[in-house]
Amino acid sequence: DAKTTQPPSMDCAEGRAANLPCNHSTISGNEYVYWYRQIHSQGPQYIIHGLKNNETNEMASLIITEDRKSSTLILPHATLRDTAVYYCIVGYGQNFVFGPGTRLSVLP
Amino acid sequence: EAGVVQSPRYKIIEKKQPVAFWCNPISGHNTLYWYRQNLGQGPELLIRYENEEAVDDSQLPKDRFSAERLKGVDSTLKIQPAELGDSAVYLCASSLGGRQNSPLHFGNGTRLTVT
Repeated sequence: DAKTTQPPSMDCAEGRAANLPCNHSTISGNEYVYWYRQIHSQGPQYIIHGLKNNETNEMASLIITEDRKSSTLILPHATLRDTAVYYCIVGYGQNFVFGPGTRLSVLP
Repeated sequence: EAGVVQSPRYKIIEKKQPVAFWCNPISGHNTLYWYRQNLGQGPELLIRYENEEAVDDSQLPKDRFSAERLKGVDSTLKIQPAELGDSAVYLCASSLGGRQNSPLHFGNGTRLTVT
C-alpha cells in the first residue's frame, strides 16, 4: 500500500501558484519524498525529491515539514500544461509505491 | 540523453493470444522496472531488475506473465495467454539503482487492449 495520502483533485487558476499537499505520517528516517506527474497518455515524469531540506529546481519547489510527516509541492506559476495527475511517493533505495495521486486542473 | 523507449505504443489482441512488450532503458541505468497501470489508478510494480537479476517479482502473476532482461540492458515482458483483465498500460522505468536514491525515469508505456 502507498504510504502517502493526497487529495483526489484540486483546481488552480492559470498564473497562480499551485500548492499540492501530501501526508506521509509513517515516513521512516531514511525515506525520501518524491514527486512525479503524469500527463494523459504519457508515462510519469519525475519532478523533484528530498529528504528533509526544502528543495527547488526549474520545475517546482518541495517543502517538507520539520517532523517530515507532510510535504507540499509548489508550482510557482501554473500553466495549462501543468494539468496532470501528481503523485507523492515516499521510499528508500528502489522501492516506489504509487497511490492514486492528485488530479490538478489548471483553469484559464 | 535519450529516454526510456517502449514498443509497441498500442496493442490490441484477442483473449488467449500471447503478447510481448519491449523496453530499452536509459544508457547506464542498472535498475529496470515494469509497472502496470489500470485506468484511474497509479502504476503498480510487476517486477524490478538489478542488472540481469530479478530482485522483486512478488507482484508478477507468474502463471501467465514472464519477463527477461538479457545482458542487463533491454527487457521484454510477455503475457501468455492474455485475459480480458490484462487490459492496461504497461510502463517500463529505469534508474541508476543500487543504494542511490535516484529517481525513476518512465517510458510512455504500451496500452494493451484485450478483446
